[in-house]
Amino acid sequence: ETGVTQTPRHLVMGMTNKKSLKCEQHLGHNAMYWYKQSAKKPLELMFVYNFKEQTENNSVPSRFSPECPNSSHLFLHLHTLQPEDSALYLCASRGGTDTQYFGPGTRLTVL
Amino acid sequence: DAKTTQPTSMDCAEGRAANLPCNHSTISGNEYVYWYRQIHSQGPQYIIHGLKNNETNEMASLIITEDRKSSTLILPHATLRDTAVYYCIVRGWNSGNTPLVFGKGTRLSVIA
Repeated sequence: ETGVTQTPRHLVMGMTNKKSLKCEQHLGHNAMYWYKQSAKKPLELMFVYNFKEQTENNSVPSRFSPECPNSSHLFLHLHTLQPEDSALYLCASRGGTDTQYFGPGTRLTVL
Repeated sequence: DAKTTQPTSMDCAEGRAANLPCNHSTISGNEYVYWYRQIHSQGPQYIIHGLKNNETNEMASLIITEDRKSSTLILPHATLRDTAVYYCIVRGWNSGNTPLVFGKGTRLSVIA
């Protein structure tokens, strides 16, 4: 509906698993973001990509690894996560005048 | 980014106009007013933005006072699906690498 899709919508993983989150935007934007939203906490910016180049990494632990193969796709690779990493992970792309269009999010639960 | 103040919650009858106020008295000349909403357990959704003129799109209207210190988001015919938390954000147009900062917003409940 927003032009930004995320898969999977729900993910349950153990602490030793490796998984990836995928984001795709069909809006022709050149900037994409990963955010984390935990219960009762403000939205946290994790990574920013402009024209496929990472321009921001807000002290995110190395167990989160982003990848941006082209300006339409963004991945978040996950490995050896902790239970406190359970949250809603949101992808967004940025249009003109800084409007951001969010995907539906991936609800991640780490056991 | 300038700070905004919004009421904590509002109710609106289905089919009526919902008017959501926002105060942003410290807004600076190059900052826009943006409105987003978040329906429970979904990603935030961009609604509308403006600089100084009133704006309208298919979702809503945005009325900005002449001194730009406050604004009102208007949903002309609220439906049950408009129940969400609405966030007013003031932000420079080139703030791209800084996170969107969502305050507490206004929880709008549309009632049948």
